[in-house]
Amino acid sequence: GQNIDQPTEMTATEGAIVQINCTYQTSGFNGLFWYQQHAGEAPTFLSYNVLDGLEEKGRFSSFLSRSKGYSYLLLKELQMKDSASYLCAVRDLTGGGNKLTFGTGTQLKVEL
Amino acid sequence: EAGVAQSPRYKIIEKRQSVAFWCNPISGHATLYWYQQILGQGPKLLIQFQNNGVVDDSQLPKDRFSAERLKGVDSTLKIQPAKLEDSAVYLCASSLVSYEQYFGPGTRLTVT
Repeated sequence: GQNIDQPTEMTATEGAIVQINCTYQTSGFNGLFWYQQHAGEAPTFLSYNVLDGLEEKGRFSSFLSRSKGYSYLLLKELQMKDSASYLCAVRDLTGGGNKLTFGTGTQLKVEL
Repeated sequence: EAGVAQSPRYKIIEKRQSVAFWCNPISGHATLYWYQQILGQGPKLLIQFQNNGVVDDSQLPKDRFSAERLKGVDSTLKIQPAKLEDSAVYLCASSLVSYEQYFGPGTRLTVT
């Protein structure tokens, strides 16, 4: 089975940097996704890591350490529109599936 | 390109009634997923289709939930009879076989 942990809530200031952590324990692992979900909307894809290291995409970066079962999402130059839930999801391709198991999400509030 | 379409967007029913949700995936996406997202939680996979075949339905409560994808394109998810704990957002997603999943806007179900 899969067990994914991430903080429930975080608060940060506009213009600052925030790091959202995710730890996982899984029986099968083929990569880790980060999704952003604004209230009442569908999750949208942010990043994907399958190998160890840092992936940078504009203001957002994501890091993975497979040996530690750990990932983080780094958001720079925070904007008010970044207030949303950030979902960590582990992918398992066992049995021909493309199964994503999601954490409960981290609700980020960006303040002035 | 057009995204994943879902209908209805909102549905309110009484317990023990039946309800059906419809999903039209992104054109060319062979894989279709139905997720249940209870308030404050991450999405939970209910069923995954590859074309019109079921890949994973291990978390689908089969005594009351059913899903089909007859022609390998559109899909319907049905609940019969509904319980109070089925109140949630039902998200449909699609992907090329093993790539990132694109989510639809969801159907918010309230069971009273």
